[in-house]
Amino acid sequence: DAKTTQPNSMESNEEEPVHLPCNHSTISGTDYIHWYRQLPSQGPEYVIHGLTSNVNNRMASLAIAEDRKSSTLILHRATLRDAAVYYCILETGANNLFFGTGTRLTVIP
Amino acid sequence: EPEVTQTPSHQVTQMGQEVILRCVPISNHLYFYWYRQILGQKVEFLVSFYNNEISEKSEIFDDQFSVERPDGSNFTLKIRSTKLEDSAMYFCASSEVRSTEAFFGQGTRLTVV
Repeated sequence: DAKTTQPNSMESNEEEPVHLPCNHSTISGTDYIHWYRQLPSQGPEYVIHGLTSNVNNRMASLAIAEDRKSSTLILHRATLRDAAVYYCILETGANNLFFGTGTRLTVIP
Repeated sequence: EPEVTQTPSHQVTQMGQEVILRCVPISNHLYFYWYRQILGQKVEFLVSFYNNEISEKSEIFDDQFSVERPDGSNFTLKIRSTKLEDSAMYFCASSEVRSTEAFFGQGTRLTVV
C-alpha cells in the first residue's frame, strides 16, 4: 500500500481556515493524491484529488508541494459540519483506495 | 444528486449462514468496489470490479467472499459462511472512470452472532 502520514488529530475554531497536512515521500510519478472524509456514522465522502497542480473545488483546496512529497488540504472556513476524519490517500492507478487512520478534525464553536 | 444505495442498512445473521449485501451504484458508473470497516478501525479495501470481472482484490477477500453484478443495476457482495470476525460496516462505492471521485453508499452494518 502506498504510504501517507497524517497527524492523528487537529482542532480548529469555527469559521477559521484549516490546513490539514499529509506526507507521502514515497509517491510515484503516476500516483494521484486523494482526500476523503468520513463524518460520524457515515460512509467516506470524496473531498478533492490532484496529480501535480493545486486544485480547488466547492469543498476545499488542495495544495501539492513541487516535489509532490507532501500536500495540504485547505478548508477555507471550517464549520461544525466539517468535523470528521480526513484521509489522505495515494491512488496508484487501479482506483483502489487504501485508507490509513487519517486526521480527526474537531471544530470548536 | 445521484447516490449509491445499499440494502439492508443493518443485517444480523448467525455464524455459518450466508449473507448477500446489495448495492445499487450510480447508473453511468463503470467501476464498483466493496470496502469494510470493523468498528473503531480503518476502512479496508476488499475488491474492485470492472467490465463484469474482478480487477483487484485484497487479502481479506478470500474464498468465502464473492461479488456479482446480476443485472444492469445491482452489485452484490456474498459472504458464504459468516464468521464472528466478519461483523463490520460494509461500504459499496462506484466511480465513473479510474482515478476520479468514488461515491460511497451509507453502508450495511453486518452483525454476526
